[in-house]
Amino acid sequence: NAGVTQTPKFQVLKTGQSMTLQCAQDMNHEYMSWYRQDPGMGLRLIHYSVGAGITDQGEVPNGYNVSRSTTEDFPLRLLSAAPSQTSVYFCASSWAAGYGYTFGSGTRLTVV
Amino acid sequence: GNSVTQMEGPVTLSEEAFLTINCTYTATGYPSLFWYVQYPGEGLQLLLKATKADDKGSNKGFEATYRKETTSFHLEKGSVQVSDSAVYFCALSDLQGAQKLVFGQGTRLTINP
Repeated sequence: NAGVTQTPKFQVLKTGQSMTLQCAQDMNHEYMSWYRQDPGMGLRLIHYSVGAGITDQGEVPNGYNVSRSTTEDFPLRLLSAAPSQTSVYFCASSWAAGYGYTFGSGTRLTVV
Repeated sequence: GNSVTQMEGPVTLSEEAFLTINCTYTATGYPSLFWYVQYPGEGLQLLLKATKADDKGSNKGFEATYRKETTSFHLEKGSVQVSDSAVYFCALSDLQGAQKLVFGQGTRLTINP
């Protein structure tokens, strides 16, 4: 059982470039989320999904886009990278929130 | 909206010391409460959880009790080890609707031998 798989693990982008962070889970979880982790600020919710075809914005959605065409995959797109998006990004999934979320190992993104 | 407040770190203790990391929350309704742990260079792992008032979550010697009257979920361990050095996050989630996780800012714990 692979759990939540994130790719790539590391990425360097130039300002203005776009890219997609991949997230896949093999646990048939309905709930999936993207967080960014910045020093001293904990984890902040970017976008989330409650099932295939259903997504919504979290606390810090600007500059990011998501889609959920299948239960397994929840990619995060950076439309035009900015240095303020330098962060560690975590994807998480859950069968139901009372059971807790399972997290991927993260993507460390640097925008120069 | 929902929010979580943790005691500020970093926290440095000697091995075998008693650990408390305070966590209080603000929420409508009756959320589930969690402690997650993040070891260096890794993702977050669920450490323990509690889903209703007076529940006690426990795992690996860590404990936390869901206190509705004080809106708290403090993490405790009787005797810490060097291997417990990590960042600890308190979090809550509504049990209905989007069931989003809301995190505290994290507490970095260092245990010295």
